[in-house]
Amino acid sequence: GAGVSQSPSNKVTEKGKDVELRCDPISGHTALYWYRQRLGQGLEFLIYFQGNSAPDKSGLPSDRFSAERTGESVSTLTIQRTQQEDSAVYLCASSLASAGTDNEQFFGPGTRLTVL
Amino acid sequence: AQSVSQHNHHVILSEAASLELGCNYSYGGTVNLFWYVQYPGQHLQLLLKYFSGDPLVKGIKGFEAEFIKSKFSFNLRKPSVQWSDTAEYFCAVSTSGSARQLTFGSGTQLTVLP
Repeated sequence: GAGVSQSPSNKVTEKGKDVELRCDPISGHTALYWYRQRLGQGLEFLIYFQGNSAPDKSGLPSDRFSAERTGESVSTLTIQRTQQEDSAVYLCASSLASAGTDNEQFFGPGTRLTVL
Repeated sequence: AQSVSQHNHHVILSEAASLELGCNYSYGGTVNLFWYVQYPGQHLQLLLKYFSGDPLVKGIKGFEAEFIKSKFSFNLRKPSVQWSDTAEYFCAVSTSGSARQLTFGSGTQLTVLP
């Protein structure tokens, strides 16, 4: 595709519900990243996928957060039992490679999650 | 772990004024440095990046940044801003060892008055 796409663009949910966010990376990009941006703050790294390697989950804030990616395609970020502090914009990025000058990350438009 | 500081949270300038946004990072090893911009209602997009070589890097739309290793800095500059430069600017760093996730600063909101 032309760029990274994410869905939904906005999600409002009630505290305690589960949500699933989707990311479609740029075709051919082997690396995929999820970030979270809380209001007034910078982006926080959540998780990283590179090809078929085990993902780097070091940024996930709790075990309520999980993500999957099938091969080098779509990824889903799942938040279980959502809390109000999970409210943020969730951004996905992809890159051709994870190292060297090809690791420019291209960002999607984000999903704005609001937990009531 | 590395960290990035952007000390200016909101900068307001008039058109044609010169711009310098500060960015400092903390990491003792080799780093890759980036500036991203987010225009209102748009995606984050890359302005410029530094991996190696000439520490003065030129990016899109007349922006440039200088890597000063001794100061752990990568300040963004533009000699003459335009109203269309109104946006949020993020400095980011990745370490060359993993070159994986980016560590971002908290961002600087630039408002250019016409």
